[in-house]
Amino acid sequence: QQQVKQSPQSLIVQKGGISIINCAYENTAFDYFPWYQQFPGKGPALLIAIRPDVSEKKEGRFTISFNKSAKQFSLHIMDSQPGDSATYFCAASKGGSTLGRLYFGRGTQLTVWP
Amino acid sequence: DVKVTQSSRYLVKRTGEKVFLECVQDMDHENMFWYRQDPGLGLRLIYFSYDVKMKEKGDIPEGYSVSREKKERFSLILESASTNQTSMYLCASGIYGYTFGSGTRLTVV
Repeated sequence: QQQVKQSPQSLIVQKGGISIINCAYENTAFDYFPWYQQFPGKGPALLIAIRPDVSEKKEGRFTISFNKSAKQFSLHIMDSQPGDSATYFCAASKGGSTLGRLYFGRGTQLTVWP
Repeated sequence: DVKVTQSSRYLVKRTGEKVFLECVQDMDHENMFWYRQDPGLGLRLIYFSYDVKMKEKGDIPEGYSVSREKKERFSLILESASTNQTSMYLCASGIYGYTFGSGTRLTVV
């Protein structure tokens, strides 16, 4: 049973456009929602993260929108650039005995055309 | 800068071999994790450890074991490698926001 569902599996966006990746979860105990960015040949790197007490978090061109009632969160990449082409993973985590274990979505391969 | 170092970037092993994948972190983290990454399946947790000599099974532990003798080192062991274990293996450490290593691409022939 997949704890975090991510869509789309792949995304092609024109340079300067907005990239949107969506994730959904069921477990209301999740209290931390990070996004990871992975370039070919590299491990995933933490991009941005949000906790459920806020609805939006922005860092540069990257924004997480969080809808607690719908149990959904999304990553928006404004003014997308070819250098943003990568695989993006959403994730969720809860405290307690699992001590921050992350449950990952299956990833979205983003391609930004120049 | 914090680091998670995986000892090998590429490995080719024969079916039936015992394989050791090593991971070292320099951040004094309690928690360490082993994932495998396959196209279309994302990141799947094999094992994790939240203390020295402590380990817990993840979602796909079959065919794997782990060792954590020291806080900074977490090893993944393939007891008898099989072709379906050909994959990218990623080590991570931390709580909430993980730091990942660069991965080991293992091919079993």
